[in-house]
Amino acid sequence: DQQVKQNSPSLSVQEGRISILNCDYTNSMFDYFLWYKKYPAEGPTFLISISSIKDKNEDGRFTVFLNKSAKHLSLHIVPSQPGDSAVYFCAASGHNDMRFGAGTRLTVKP
Amino acid sequence: DAGVIQSPRHEVTEMGQEVTLRCKPISGHDYLFWYRQTMMRGLELLIYFNNNVPIDDSGMPEDRFSAKMPNASFSTLKIQPSEPRDSAVYFCASSPTVTEAFFGQGTRLTVV
Repeated sequence: DQQVKQNSPSLSVQEGRISILNCDYTNSMFDYFLWYKKYPAEGPTFLISISSIKDKNEDGRFTVFLNKSAKHLSLHIVPSQPGDSAVYFCAASGHNDMRFGAGTRLTVKP
Repeated sequence: DAGVIQSPRHEVTEMGQEVTLRCKPISGHDYLFWYRQTMMRGLELLIYFNNNVPIDDSGMPEDRFSAKMPNASFSTLKIQPSEPRDSAVYFCASSPTVTEAFFGQGTRLTVV
C-alpha cells in the first residue's frame, strides 16, 4: 500500500528552465511534507519542507506547493542547474509515521 | 556529531548466509528508521523505533528479517537466511521527531 506516490520515475529538463516534480499522498493524517535529494552512493539529504497549515514554502530556487484538498504537492526548481541532477524523494509524515515516495530522477542538461 | 553511521558500506554474501547491518544514530535522536531502496519500489520503510522500542515493523518483508535496538546508540538489521532478491541499498535514518530524518550513507548489499 503506497501511501506516497511519485508517478514520474524520471524527468529531463534544460539548464535554466523550470523543473516540476510531483507527489501524491493518500493518508489525510499526514501533516508535514518534505523533499529529499539523493546523489549516487550517498544517503538522501533534506531539501525543503512544508507544514499542512501552509500552501507554499520557498527557499531560494526551490519552492514547494501543497494542495491539501487534492492531496498533492510539488517541488519547483527554477532556474534548474546541472548540479540539481539527482533523485528526488517526496516524504509525508504525521502521527509518528513517515513514508517516502519511490523517487523521481531529475536530469538537468547543460 | 558525525551524523548517522552505517556499516559496512558494501556487503557481498552468498545466498543462505546471515547478514547483519549496523547503524549508529545521531546522539539525542529518539527515532530510528530502517529503509530499503530498490529500483522498483524506491525507498521502503522496513521498521522504525522510538526510544529503542519497535513501533511499526509492518514493512519488514518476512520472518527472515529482524531488527533490534539494544540501546539508544546502536541498531542492527539482520537477514537470515539471505536471498538474491534481498540485494538492495539499506539506509538507516534517525530523527529527533518524525519530521526531518537524517540518513546514513547506506549499505549496498549484494546476495549472490
